[in-house]
Parts: sequence; structure tokens; C-alpha cells
Amino acid sequence: NAGVTQTPKFQVLKTGQSMTLQCAQDMNHEYMSWYRQDPGMGLRLIHYSVGAGITDQGEVPNGYNVSRSTTEDFPLRLLSAAPSQTSVYFCASSAMGVSNQPQHFGDGTRLSIL
Amino acid sequence: AQKVTQAQTEISVVEKEDVTLDCVYETRDTTYYLFWYKQPPSGELVFLIRRNSFDEQNEISGRYSWNFQKSTSSFNFTITASQVVDSAVYFCALSEVRTGANNLFFGTGTRLTVIP
Repeated sequence: NAGVTQTPKFQVLKTGQSMTLQCAQDMNHEYMSWYRQDPGMGLRLIHYSVGAGITDQGEVPNGYNVSRSTTEDFPLRLLSAAPSQTSVYFCASSAMGVSNQPQHFGDGTRLSIL
Repeated sequence: AQKVTQAQTEISVVEKEDVTLDCVYETRDTTYYLFWYKQPPSGELVFLIRRNSFDEQNEISGRYSWNFQKSTSSFNFTITASQVVDSAVYFCALSEVRTGANNLFFGTGTRLTVIP
């Protein structure tokens, strides 16, 4: 009963490095999203996908890329890490639109950029 | 403008006390959904409740209850007889159908500490 799995759980990067945060779900959900959580700001949407091959930007997309080649996987790429991207990242999925279905969240990835 | 406001940043109560977490939202949509999520110290986000804008009935689930009032744009959450395990950050969130239904607007959260 895995649900939404995020890897890694923790990561430290140097400014300018690139990396990919992995997200996989085994519930056959069409909708997947990436959020970042910063102190005092709640969660903010970075990118989302309504199905394989379809992605779109959320509220704070700059500096991040996504792709959705399969229903199960939705990786988030940091192209050139910046200290402002230090945050906790959550991946989420839901069967239908966010409006009428609760999202299932992964356990988060804590990312520090030095 | 903040779509979801949780004015209480931190609340501390003694075990067995009742506590209410406030949530005020802002939207021009007539159809929208409101959510509460719990984030315990372990960090995961746990879904608690979803309510659509056409259903103003209050809901009770065990020690938890929710009071939805469209007239004041509020969706408050009450924990009765609080327990130490209730200590967590609680987020209220809004989803608007008009904006494509793919974004949850989260409040900044209320950190609840239940003191034994």
C-alpha cells in the first residue's frame, strides 16, 4: 500500500547543481502535482499534470521543470539550484481534479541549497 | 491577496481542553471546495475533510467538528477534548472550480500544541 512515494527524503546541493526529485504513485491517479512548503507560507503549487504527456505551471514554476511520460511518475527537475529553492517539496496525486477529490501527499523531500 | 487566512499562527492548550482553529477564505466563485489537512511532527500531510460550497451542514467526526458559514466565509475546525496526538500543524485550503480546479490554495497553517 505505497500510495505516493518521494525520493530522496533529504538532499543537500550546492548552488548551480541540478537534480531530479522523484515521485511515483501506484493508485492510477491521473492528476499529479508538486508543491513547495516554506516557513510561514503554507504550500504553493509549482507544476501539475492532468495526465501522461500533459503538464502545466502552477503558482511558482520558475527554476523547475517537469515531465509526465507515464501515469505513475512525475519527476521535478531543478535545472540550476539556488538558495531560494531551499524548501520542503511535496508531491501529490488525486483521481480527478483537485476540486472534488482529496489529494494524496507523499512524505516530502527536504532540500537544502548551500 | 491571500485566498485563505489562518490568523492563528500558534495555539497551545492543555490536554482535554477544546480548541477551535479559524479559517477565513476569499473567492468569487460560487462553486468551490474547502479542505483541512493535518501535518504531524513527522511531516506528512493527512487529509481530514472536504466540503463543497453548496453544503453548509456542519460535520462531526469523533472529536473533530467543522463549522462552515458562507455568510462569513469561514470554515472553522474544532477539536473537542484535545489529546497530545492532536499536536500538529493544521492547514485550511481552498480549491476554485473556475481557475481550472488544479490548484489548492493553502493557508499558512496553525501550529497546535497540546500540553499533557
